[in-house]
Amino acid sequence: DADVTQTPRNRITKTGKRIMLECSQTKGHDRMYWYRQDPGLGLRLIYYSFDVKDINKGEISDGYSVSRQAQAKFSLSLESAIPNQTALYFCATSDFGLAQFFGPGTRLTVL
Amino acid sequence: GENVEQHPSTLSVQEGDSAVIKCTYSDSASNYFPWYKQELGKGPQLIIDIRSNVGEKKDQRIAVTLNKTAKHFSLHITETQPEDSAVYFCAANNDYKLSFGAGTTVTVRA
Repeated sequence: DADVTQTPRNRITKTGKRIMLECSQTKGHDRMYWYRQDPGLGLRLIYYSFDVKDINKGEISDGYSVSRQAQAKFSLSLESAIPNQTALYFCATSDFGLAQFFGPGTRLTVL
Repeated sequence: GENVEQHPSTLSVQEGDSAVIKCTYSDSASNYFPWYKQELGKGPQLIIDIRSNVGEKKDQRIAVTLNKTAKHFSLHITETQPEDSAVYFCAANNDYKLSFGAGTTVTVRA
């Protein structure tokens, strides 16, 4: 969905490096989410935010942190990347209607 | 929390035939059930959703059915076309969060 953008689209990094993935949206939604996708495991929730001052852990938050800089921006950080964090990362947004709209994803490889 | 199981994990169908994907969920409080289609290199796209106050919803060639008593819901694609080849995910809400199934890779054979 072009209304949700993610940068970078691809990133290769080394073990121990700090990485930030960024998400921006023009849909005007208050709620934003970060998911991780691994083959055969579907989409798993890392963190979510219902407004600028609200941050909540999802099911797999260990090793990750987030920042909600504005209604339209939600960043995911890996403080010290490790190889098993190699995955596809998706940002999503929603309003109060529960439907979530996803960005194009970031493919992260940790060597 | 909510647990969503999805079957089958892969599905190969002849063009023009129907495809059916089934999901079960564990939390009886869930009341919103979306389906997403993910094409290669893209993010998941919402294709249809259903809420617990209806049993069936249809949009052109796709339909979703919901059985709240049995806690399962299904996606039906009729008259499949090559462009239907993709990974499909079901999900169920847990409060305002979604729990996803593991996905079904659908291949439509010409």
